Amino acid sequence: EVQLVESGGGLVQPGGSLRLSCVASGFTFSNYGMSWVRQAPGKGLEWISYIGSSSSAIFYSDSVKGRFTISRDNAKNSLYLQMNSLRDEDTAVYYCAKYYSGSGSFDYWGQGTLVTVSS
Amino acid sequence: EIVLTQSPGTLSLSPGERATLSCRASQSVSSSYLAWYQQKLGQAPRLLIYGASSRATGIPDRFSGSGSGTDFTLTISRLEPEDFAVYYCQQYGISWWTFGQGTKVEIK
Repeated sequence: EVQLVESGGGLVQPGGSLRLSCVASGFTFSNYGMSWVRQAPGKGLEWISYIGSSSSAIFYSDSVKGRFTISRDNAKNSLYLQMNSLRDEDTAVYYCAKYYSGSGSFDYWGQGTLVTVSS
Repeated sequence: EIVLTQSPGTLSLSPGERATLSCRASQSVSSSYLAWYQQKLGQAPRLLIYGASSRATGIPDRFSGSGSGTDFTLTISRLEPEDFAVYYCQQYGISWWTFGQGTKVEIK
């Protein structure tokens, strides 16, 4: 059974930093691209970052480019999101999602971790 | 950037009725890269349809997707109680992904 478990969310002040983690199990993590998708309270889904299976391909949305860094450790079956210079508008539930190769879609999602940016 | 516009914003229907959800793109989208998700309150999204019309693993055949170019449709043939949720379309543009704003299917 595929499982994705996020952690690392919490309350942080504007301008602060936070590192999210996502531990994967139930599939060969090193074979698949992964993404982070967020959802602000009461709002829709927003894709923010993607990393390829070997970390050779990395993409960001304009809203987080230059502030967030995605990375992975295939030996630890883990995905990370380093978030710096956090803003109020970064408040959201952050989901990690497994990329369904060749389909452009995400076939498995974690339950999410809440990040609240507030003073 | 391609913008996806979903309509209607809310669909009020009764169990057993047919639901038709629309997703319109601001530019042509490859059918290979158009997906639909279901999200229930407090839960993560679930992939329903990929490639515009292929059902994901374990998805009942009452869910179907169609369309091409800029107009795509998700149809639920007969609504079951568990189908009342928010539905999102999503497209992939080689190095970026975008979602529609969602359609809420509520019980009438």
